[in-house]
Amino acid sequence: DTAVSQTPKYLVTQMGNDKSIKCEQNLGHDTMYWYKQDSKKFLKIMFSYNNKELIINETVPNRFSPKSPDKAHLNLHINSLELGDSAVYFCASTISSGANVLTFGAGSRLTVL
Amino acid sequence: AQTVTQSQPEMSVQEAETVTLSCTYDTSENNYYLFWYKQPPSRQMILVIRQEAYKQQNATENRFSVNFQKAAKSFSLKISDSQLGDTAMYFCAFMKLSGGSNYKLTFGKGTLLTVNP
Repeated sequence: DTAVSQTPKYLVTQMGNDKSIKCEQNLGHDTMYWYKQDSKKFLKIMFSYNNKELIINETVPNRFSPKSPDKAHLNLHINSLELGDSAVYFCASTISSGANVLTFGAGSRLTVL
Repeated sequence: AQTVTQSQPEMSVQEAETVTLSCTYDTSENNYYLFWYKQPPSRQMILVIRQEAYKQQNATENRFSVNFQKAAKSFSLKISDSQLGDTAMYFCAFMKLSGGSNYKLTFGKGTLLTVNP
């Protein structure tokens, strides 16, 4: 009965590879996010989708491509991975007409070697 | 653009005592929410407390309360009767309410709180 689930939780890969992280929420929310937490624990928004439509696209390299097939899913694909992409990636969701509280997934730790 | 500042990178407190974590923010918005999230070693982000800017009354959730000073743009978190399980990184966060569905949380850099037995 996990509210926001991300897979995989851990990912170790080589520079130059392409990888994806998947996120699903069963809360009936209409807005989903990707946040990146760096090695100093700083959390920064990357993308936001509302009802499958891209709403927020911060200054993220175009190697990062989010995809939202429906409002319950938001996936993150990363091409040509670099060392600096190593981080914990958090998916979150909320209902835009509600209390605006974001519910976070458990995070996916990506390590690029 | 909104900024959130947490001036205390680390703090420690003895079990059962009270501790206050500081947060200031900068915005030209009038309608917004403020949040405190905690992140224990498990990495999970957990909502601690939320404050609507239009409410003058400070939010309270059991042992957690805030001191919201809108004019000073200050939003501190007080933890009473600290417990070992309160050991975590605490993040202050801001969300503006204008812009339709363009809601995003802007986080401070966090305060690492250690509760000592």
